[in-house]
Amino acid sequence: DAGVTQSPTHLIKTRGQQVTLRCSPISGHKSVSWYQQVLGQGPQFIFQYYEKEERGRGNFPDRFSARQFPNYSSELNVNALLLGDSALYLCASSLVGGRAADTQYFGPGTRLTVL
Amino acid sequence: GIQVEQSPPDLILQEGANSTLRCNFSDSVNNLQWFHQNPWGQLINLFYIPSGTKQNGRLSATTVATERYSLLYISSSQTTDSGVYFCALWRDDKIIFGKGTRLHILP
Repeated sequence: DAGVTQSPTHLIKTRGQQVTLRCSPISGHKSVSWYQQVLGQGPQFIFQYYEKEERGRGNFPDRFSARQFPNYSSELNVNALLLGDSALYLCASSLVGGRAADTQYFGPGTRLTVL
Repeated sequence: GIQVEQSPPDLILQEGANSTLRCNFSDSVNNLQWFHQNPWGQLINLFYIPSGTKQNGRLSATTVATERYSLLYISSSQTTDSGVYFCALWRDDKIIFGKGTRLHILP
């Protein structure tokens, strides 16, 4: 079975632009979570979606938004990019999400560079 | 909010050595997890360990929730153990990661 996939793997944008990152969960998983990982830091939780509804949101500005589609894939959108948005963006899928006992499986990430 | 602190921040060991990584947390929780991020960025869940001890091969973890800490033990280290080890907690529908311990295993 395929694991969690993310696209693109790398992306370079300039300040003020908008970006869309994509994630496909493991087959059968209904929950997708997004994380931002700045170099040298632990992942920071951005969103969790379950059955196409937002279940949790971290402390990120409204420039960050996400959605989950009927096939459980997800997109993360970031508007008005800032230099500080440069990071590795990780997606994780799980069966139902929202519980630590529900193992999360992480994708390889999208590395975003904002110039 | 809840604080998650990991120590040491960096650790360099020779292959074959044992190590102990620590995670302290500031609030009562019952949902601690340990993750490993390899040098290529892939993050893998190692343990869900709200309390007690679990073992998986050369790795084991112990959480003492009443004293708000967890320990990850790595025995007979191999170069493939290199990377960053994170502990994390769920609170209010959010998962909070520590800053990690960066482990270098030298051949």
